[in-house]
Amino acid sequence: QSALTQPASVSGSPGQSITISCTGTSSDVGGYNYVSWYQQHPGKAPKLMIYDVSNRPSGVSNRFSGSKSGNTASLTISGLQAEDEADYYCSSYTSSSTGVFGTGTKVTVL
Amino acid sequence: EVQLVQSGAEVKKPGESLKISCKGSGYSFTSYWIGWVRQMPGKGLEWMGIIYPGDSDTRYSPSFQGQVTISADKSISTAYLQWSSLKASDTAMYYCARHFSFDIWGQGTMVTVSS
Repeated sequence: QSALTQPASVSGSPGQSITISCTGTSSDVGGYNYVSWYQQHPGKAPKLMIYDVSNRPSGVSNRFSGSKSGNTASLTISGLQAEDEADYYCSSYTSSSTGVFGTGTKVTVL
Repeated sequence: EVQLVQSGAEVKKPGESLKISCKGSGYSFTSYWIGWVRQMPGKGLEWMGIIYPGDSDTRYSPSFQGQVTISADKSISTAYLQWSSLKASDTAMYYCARHFSFDIWGQGTMVTVSS
């Protein structure tokens, strides 16, 4: 299966809101409510930020929110902070009973 | 504390075999899937495969089917990723992570394959 499509980069000023899209097909994103989002800082392991489209794990800031419409999922970061500068990846369950990641998005805080 | 602890970095030659490990603690190891993720230098995350230690049900991404073997020993709460014949292109960081949502991650194992 092909990787989910994400924009290569997104940027915003401190305090602003940004949205990262994640586009798949009806065989992955569109077919299941099993989309997750991960944050990865350089040299670190990824961290789960959103699971099952819109659920936040304990300890994750409520500035992070997720949604889905059709074959596209989205991660919104509100009140952007310097510490949010990182790479972000989406992932989805697939019709093959496996998973697939997105291409990744580099978030820059201006 | 729930955690996954991976084995240390490896340096191997092309053609050699390798098995890296991921030990779970702080939770019921047999009740959660454990997956493996590849990250080549400077690149994105790739979903490799996943195993349910309770019954060893294993699923592979088509890109990795036949290239690696995922296994688990529930008696010691450890999952494994192995290669029978490494290639230079296997050079990457490998992460294990818990559950289909990958809620807990190991620290990563760097595998370097070079002649």
